Amino acid sequence: GNSVTQMEGPVTLSEEAFLTINCTYTATGYPSLFWYVQYPGEGLQLLLKATKADDKGSNKGFEATYRKETTSFHLEKGSVQVSDSAVYFCALSRRDSNYQLIWGAGTKLIIKP
Amino acid sequence: DAEITQSPRHKITETGRQVTLACHQTWNHNNMFWYRQDLGHGLRLIHYSYGVQDTNKGEVSDGYSVSRSNTEDLPLTLESAASSQTSVYFCASSESGVQETQYFGPGTRLLVL
Repeated sequence: GNSVTQMEGPVTLSEEAFLTINCTYTATGYPSLFWYVQYPGEGLQLLLKATKADDKGSNKGFEATYRKETTSFHLEKGSVQVSDSAVYFCALSRRDSNYQLIWGAGTKLIIKP
Repeated sequence: DAEITQSPRHKITETGRQVTLACHQTWNHNNMFWYRQDLGHGLRLIHYSYGVQDTNKGEVSDGYSVSRSNTEDLPLTLESAASSQTSVYFCASSESGVQETQYFGPGTRLLVL
């Protein structure tokens, strides 16, 4: 079946460090892939997405590339800020799952000044 | 601006009581979803709807029900609240399509005593 695996957190970094949060998926065919972010006390919001292989999604300095060969969609940012502290969720969507999102468990990111 | 709202934002109730959580969206989306979020479990789908008069069970639907009488609203009812239903509940909506973003409400924090 379809599934998403994220690296466990929390991930703790210093400000201006390089960030990678790993996400791998299991799905047949060509799912769409998403990263959502949840800031403290808020609902989730879309950070970026990619809908076909080799697509790169980007937003707010974050990037992720849809890698079909490694079934991965790792989230990266070159220089994190304290304001990036949040929980990050990787997810996939397939037509045969009726547009439901299959969610990873979430990775809590803590940025220290 | 279009939005999705939830009420109440916080609720305390007693075991055995019926509780209804409201979700209202002004995006005019066909799809609506209810999730619960618990530490260690990420997001779990409770119920979802693809349009008026359509409702479907998610992975953790026992003890919950929904109804969809119009496009804008999908209320979630806990028939007889249990302590295991203490959680944060999120409503989301989206257009139909595998690439479509889900838009989340701010969440309702429910405590069942």
